[in-house]
Amino acid sequence: QVQLVQSGAEVKKPGASVKVSCKASGYTFTSYGINWVRQAPGQGLEWMGWISPYDGNAHYAEELQGRVTMTTDTSTSTAYMELRSLRSDDTAVYYCARDGGWLPELAALWIWGQGTLVTVSS
Amino acid sequence: DIVMTQSPDSLAVSLGERATINCKSSQSVLYSSSNKNFLAWYQQKPGQPPKLLIYWASTRESGVPDRFSGSGSGTDFTLTISSLQAEDVAVYYCQQYHSTPRSFGGGTKVEIK
Repeated sequence: QVQLVQSGAEVKKPGASVKVSCKASGYTFTSYGINWVRQAPGQGLEWMGWISPYDGNAHYAEELQGRVTMTTDTSTSTAYMELRSLRSDDTAVYYCARDGGWLPELAALWIWGQGTLVTVSS
Repeated sequence: DIVMTQSPDSLAVSLGERATINCKSSQSVLYSSSNKNFLAWYQQKPGQPPKLLIYWASTRESGVPDRFSGSGSGTDFTLTISSLQAEDVAVYYCQQYHSTPRSFGGGTKVEIK
């Protein structure tokens, strides 16, 4: 079945970096975009950005520009999200989510990973 | 950037009664070339990732009960649960995917009265 399986929880110190993985299975990895969404404790959903596994093209939320990098490895059907210079307010559950295909009208988020808790604390 | 505003923040509805959630976008999310509204609704239960309920503002995802319906166009949208069931207790989010950043509304918590 189609699924996204994310890496496990992380605890990081302020100023460090974290890299979360999202392994896809059950579909052709390069045919669908991967979005990253985060959710701080008790808060709503925040869209972080999107990457095309087909060509590596990525779009990031403006407030994360310069701190976030999204990449993919097509040989293992895995997407990665790296966030640098971590702050306490980066503490959140990070989700990867697959869209419905390349057409703009298919950009809703059909399939979600289980989430990865990243805790930033000194 | 398109700002999504949901209302109310929370609502309590009796079992079997109707729940209505509103979502307003700061700009139209109607994609002219396809005449589709690029607006989705998600349901999130505690400890779980969000689940896609509705896309194109009014198209139910496969397997979603027909008590869930979406309506609206342009900048004003509504999610309706026609007869609230206990398993519908959750937080509901709207999201526009017309342009990046693909912003979410703040969420509406639905509880049983």
